[in-house]
Amino acid sequence: ELKVEQNPLFLSMQEGKNYTIYCNYSTTSDRLYWYRQDPGKSLESLFVLLSNGAVKQEGRLMASLDTKARLSTLHITAAVHDLSATYFCAVDMYNNDMRFGAGTRLTVKP
Amino acid sequence: DAGVTQSPTHLIKTRGQHVTLRCSPISGHKSVSWYQQVLGQGPQFIFQYYEKEERGRGNFPDRFSARQFPNYSSELNVNALLLGDSALYLCASSLPTGGLYNEQFFGPGTRLTVL
Repeated sequence: ELKVEQNPLFLSMQEGKNYTIYCNYSTTSDRLYWYRQDPGKSLESLFVLLSNGAVKQEGRLMASLDTKARLSTLHITAAVHDLSATYFCAVDMYNNDMRFGAGTRLTVKP
Repeated sequence: DAGVTQSPTHLIKTRGQHVTLRCSPISGHKSVSWYQQVLGQGPQFIFQYYEKEERGRGNFPDRFSARQFPNYSSELNVNALLLGDSALYLCASSLPTGGLYNEQFFGPGTRLTVL
């Protein structure tokens, strides 16, 4: 069965620092998604990664995909308070089933 | 353009009751998926419907059912509610891409509390 594991599950950062969130998955897939969720809110699509070596950047966030290692990373550069949220990766199973990781709860402190 | 809409936003039910949740996809989107998100966890896939047919089903009991209407809106029904059904129920719609990818756009969710 497909497993999607994120780490860390909780991350407390200081403003201005850099950090990386990791997403490992256990089956072949070249379609991976990152979402952001604010407390009590729905999921906002951040990145769609569709091939090995794909890299996408938006502001202070950069996502990459290594399908051979079955690993995606979400890198945060010079964190700001507004980035505080829960971040989920999700793997497309090709059978119309999307599997989500448990989420990384990010808190950025001044 | 309107995003995915869901109703109701909040719902309180008691054990054993039945509930119907509704979802309207983004205009032009023909695929609707349902997810259950228990507090503190990632969303879990329940169903996907495309062109009114079930195209995928997650590991949920038969108490959960869904359907899609000709206008592509969808209903999720849950019978014989249990306390463990308390969760945020998310609907997502997607545009068919010929199998290339399945980027889903999520609605605001329905918060179901079972007492």
